[in-house]
Amino acid sequence: DGGITQSPKYLFRKEGQNVTLSCEQNLNHDAMYWYRQDPGQGLRLIYYSQIVNDFQKGDIAEGYSVSREKKESFPLTVTSAQKNPTAFYLCASSWQFNQPQHFGDGTRLSIL
Amino acid sequence: ELKVEQNPLFLSMQEGKNYTIYCNYSTTSDRLYWYRQDPGKSLESLFVLLSNGAVKQEGRLMASLDTKARLSTLHITAAVHDLSATYFCAVDGSNYKLTFGKGTLLTVNP
Repeated sequence: DGGITQSPKYLFRKEGQNVTLSCEQNLNHDAMYWYRQDPGQGLRLIYYSQIVNDFQKGDIAEGYSVSREKKESFPLTVTSAQKNPTAFYLCASSWQFNQPQHFGDGTRLSIL
Repeated sequence: ELKVEQNPLFLSMQEGKNYTIYCNYSTTSDRLYWYRQDPGKSLESLFVLLSNGAVKQEGRLMASLDTKARLSTLHITAAVHDLSATYFCAVDGSNYKLTFGKGTLLTVNP
């Protein structure tokens, strides 16, 4: 079955630690996205990538980094510079940049 | 900057009743999405509205788009408990990035 796989489902970060959230898709989509969701809030865009080896900052990119070395993979690193990382992180992909987005099941990140 | 406002943010309904969720947005767009999210889960696409006057229906849910008024509505007919969830609208901005509303938490009570 085609879809988007995010791992892990739950992740804990220690102070000063970088952590990486995985996002893999087998839909052959060109575009991929990372969103952050806080309780009672909508989704906010962290980074997006329209094509392999290219990515752009979204609205809240500070403290995060990404890479897009393969079409199917778009990992997100939450760095120690992100002082309030506790949130639900959702990865999405779309056929092209202006097409409907499909979402993964999310990763819930908490601070130890 | 595109702003998207949903109201109400919280909605408690009785089964069998009808209600409407509103989504207003601040700048021109002709592409709007409605998503459903169950607690702790991902977003499920409900409707894609691509032009002024677009109306789509699926079961007890019907969505419409008025691009001149910058308004979309999600109408719930004869609500059932299974519709309890958070509903988001998301608007495609001029740069094709989606801006989401804060969501409407719908609770349908017996």
